[in-house]
Amino acid sequence: EPEVTQTPSHQVTQMGQEVILRCVPISNHLYFYWYRQILGQKVEFLVSFYNNEISEKSEIFDDQFSVERPDGSNFTLKIRSTKLEDSAMYFCASSPSSGGREQYFGPGTRLTVT
Amino acid sequence: RKEVEQDPGPFNVPEGATVAFNCTYSNSASQSFFWYRQDCRKEPKLLMSVYSSGNEDGRFTAQLNRASQYISLLIRDSKLSDSATYLCVVNGPSGSARQLTFGSGTQLTVLP
Repeated sequence: EPEVTQTPSHQVTQMGQEVILRCVPISNHLYFYWYRQILGQKVEFLVSFYNNEISEKSEIFDDQFSVERPDGSNFTLKIRSTKLEDSAMYFCASSPSSGGREQYFGPGTRLTVT
Repeated sequence: RKEVEQDPGPFNVPEGATVAFNCTYSNSASQSFFWYRQDCRKEPKLLMSVYSSGNEDGRFTAQLNRASQYISLLIRDSKLSDSATYLCVVNGPSGSARQLTFGSGTQLTVLP
């Protein structure tokens, strides 16, 4: 069964450093997403991406964040200058159609900012 | 009012029990509704979509009441492997079709 993959599984970085989280969505999916989950809190939407551009973004997704689909398979989230409060689990998801239906999540990258 | 509200639990039930979870949502424009399950420190996994007419998948039954903005999940004949956090999820907030809004989850532990 096709699945979303993410690398690395755990990233430790120092405050102020840039990080890039990588995702390979399911191959025939058209919509891609990033969510985050701070430990003990609920899953929160960051951004959606379709046709090589951002479709929607939340208030969390400020100028420190960017997304890119550098080739036909990868989808990346970059955090330019990490803060302590960026420590969270970051999930990539993809879906085959619009309307937010049936989004499939990757295993996540645990980001720890020290 | 929270966008998606769930009873946090925990629900501790014996194997074989029937358990029901409820959820309310605030965005009357929501069109898509789901139940996901999340195991500790893992990704949310789609359990089932929820349709207006109600739907069943094996031991799991989901119901939607649009007038009351209420969603439910019923699990029959609980198994140990059903132990997880169950997340009520809707699309929204208002005007947003692709963004999923998650509830905080209801924790279920099935006891031997």
